[in-house]
Amino acid sequence: AQKVTQAQTEISVVEKEDVTLDCVYETRDTTYYLFWYKQPPSGELVFLIRRNSFDEQNEISGRYSWNFQKSTSSFNFTITASQVVDSAVYFCALSPAPYSGAGSYQLTFGKGTKLSVIP
Amino acid sequence: DGGITQSPKYLFRKEGQNVTLSCEQNLNHDAMYWYRQDPGQGLRLIYYSQIVNDFQKGDIAEGYSVSREKKESFPLTVTSAQKNPTAFYLCASSLPLDEKLFFGSGTQLSVL
Repeated sequence: AQKVTQAQTEISVVEKEDVTLDCVYETRDTTYYLFWYKQPPSGELVFLIRRNSFDEQNEISGRYSWNFQKSTSSFNFTITASQVVDSAVYFCALSPAPYSGAGSYQLTFGKGTKLSVIP
Repeated sequence: DGGITQSPKYLFRKEGQNVTLSCEQNLNHDAMYWYRQDPGQGLRLIYYSQIVNDFQKGDIAEGYSVSREKKESFPLTVTSAQKNPTAFYLCASSLPLDEKLFFGSGTQLSVL
């Protein structure tokens, strides 16, 4: 069975601070995808990134960066110079890859980390 | 603009009543999904549909029903058999065999 653990339930930072959101996963699959989604107060989840288990390169997109470490089963997300607009709930998720269409659909979400950025 | 529209934003259910949540998408996606979100919890899959006229149960399908008569629409009915329906319901869609989901803005269902 798959499992995603986001140990940080809530985090508060002051604007312009850096913050890292932790994600630890468990899976028996040899290939899988990892995701991060953002849920702002409006409620709609927004896709941020998908990472294939074969690709352990870190990724940077503007103020966002992701650190994938297979050895520790972690896929952490760092926001540099945080802004008030970053306040949201962030979900890490995991699925087997590729999804073959056979059997049950398996995208497992963590419980989320609520980030509050204080001006 | 393409997207997913969920309605209503807030819905109240009386005891023993069935209620239907609407989800419409104009992204031309074949796959659609319903998730339930409880406070402090992750998203749990209720039902999904990979193609019109076909759908499968997710992890928590009991007390819910769906239909997929049109590609654009995937309504969710919360039946009276669902004893704890209060939650935030999210609809999503994707391209075939693609785990990248596009979400609607959700419906908050409460029990009167």
